[in-house]
Amino acid sequence: QSALTQPASVSGSPGQSITVSCTGTSSDIGEYNFVSWYQQHPGKVPKLIIYDVSERPSGVSGRFSGSKSGNTASLTISGLQAEDEADYYCSSYPSSNTVIFGGGTKLTVL
Amino acid sequence: EEQLVESGGGLVKPGGSLRLSCAASGFTFSDAWMSWVRQTPGKGLEWVGRIRSKTAGGTTDYAAPVKGRFIVSRDDSKNTLYLQMNSLRTEDTAVYHCTLGGHYFGLWGQGTLVTVSS
Repeated sequence: QSALTQPASVSGSPGQSITVSCTGTSSDIGEYNFVSWYQQHPGKVPKLIIYDVSERPSGVSGRFSGSKSGNTASLTISGLQAEDEADYYCSSYPSSNTVIFGGGTKLTVL
Repeated sequence: EEQLVESGGGLVKPGGSLRLSCAASGFTFSDAWMSWVRQTPGKGLEWVGRIRSKTAGGTTDYAAPVKGRFIVSRDDSKNTLYLQMNSLRTEDTAVYHCTLGGHYFGLWGQGTLVTVSS
């Protein structure tokens, strides 16, 4: 099972909105609503910010939202803040009963 | 407070074995599906394997690169998750995180570093 495809980097200015894409196939993202997103600051463990495509865990800011269209999932961060600068990883649960991650996207807040 | 604490990492030669442990607290471990996820220093995340709760059958699934070499197990009486790693390869070098969840991971341990080198 191949890894999901994410852009290596994205950037935005404070207050703007940015979107991180995560592209898979019809056997993973396209087939199941089991997409999750993780935020990882340097030296920290990953933090779950979105699960099941668009659900937010308790305590996660409403500025984070998730969606899916076909084989591509997206994470949108609105009202960008300096503290959002981090690495973001997507994940999916393909029909092989395994879990796959994207390669990660580095978000820079300009 | 929910917490996961890994132990057992270290330096091992190629072909060797190592067993990682993960002590869980703050939630009902016996009801939880648990997974191991590894991260290569400076690189991305890779799911290693998962074990279902006993009520869900207690069965396991593995990523292709580790299938047949790694074994995930649990001791619900000790609230502990294990990862037995055999026939280790240099490409298994990574920080290994214990996580709460089967297909998404809401709680992560700090991780334990496994280095496979001669």
